[in-house]
Amino acid sequence: DVKVTQSSRYLVKRTGEKVFLECVQDMDHENMFWYRQDPGLGLRLIYFSYDVKMKEKGDIPEGYSVSREKKERFSLILESASTNQTSMYLCASSSRRGLHYNEQFFGPGTRLTVL
Amino acid sequence: QKEVEQNSGPLSVPEGAIASLNCTYSDRVSQSFFWYRQYSGKSPELIMSIYSNGDKEDGRFTAQLNKASQYVSLLIRDSQPSDSATYLCAGYKAAGNKLTFGGGTRVLVKP
Repeated sequence: DVKVTQSSRYLVKRTGEKVFLECVQDMDHENMFWYRQDPGLGLRLIYFSYDVKMKEKGDIPEGYSVSREKKERFSLILESASTNQTSMYLCASSSRRGLHYNEQFFGPGTRLTVL
Repeated sequence: QKEVEQNSGPLSVPEGAIASLNCTYSDRVSQSFFWYRQYSGKSPELIMSIYSNGDKEDGRFTAQLNKASQYVSLLIRDSQPSDSATYLCAGYKAAGNKLTFGGGTRVLVKP
């Protein structure tokens, strides 16, 4: 089974802090994604990556950056956390090969609260 | 028009009945579609993927894709209280190489 893990289930940070959210997948997937999910707004794509050291902006990249130094790991960085970044953050991964082409598998999520 | 649209619900279904969920999509979405189940406070879980016109069955779930009418549906047979969740429809956008999600349909299965 595909396994996507995220570094924390719950996180509380203060305004202005630099926040790192880590995601690791164990299925050798090429693609990795970061979403945030908010009530009434659904799932929104922040950034994604097709390969190591590659990144693409999603629909709401402002205030975020990402890093992908290894194929299995994709990090989301909040350079200076703000209260409007309080949300559920979801990491996902997918393969570009085989029968399960583009099926995205999600991690358990990190509920981030910025005070 | 949103790229993927779903009725937000809630869709209330008696236990044992068939739950029918629908999703429509725009011209910007094509090729393949996915249904996810999301329990409250949890992350989305992939339950079905469908890539071609017609029906695809997996256990109590059947996904149906009609590209001419631009809709995809999910049927849940013999609905159980454990099926109570929000169901997300997602379509693949070749432009940008990413999934776009609908807002989800909340399903309540009543014993």
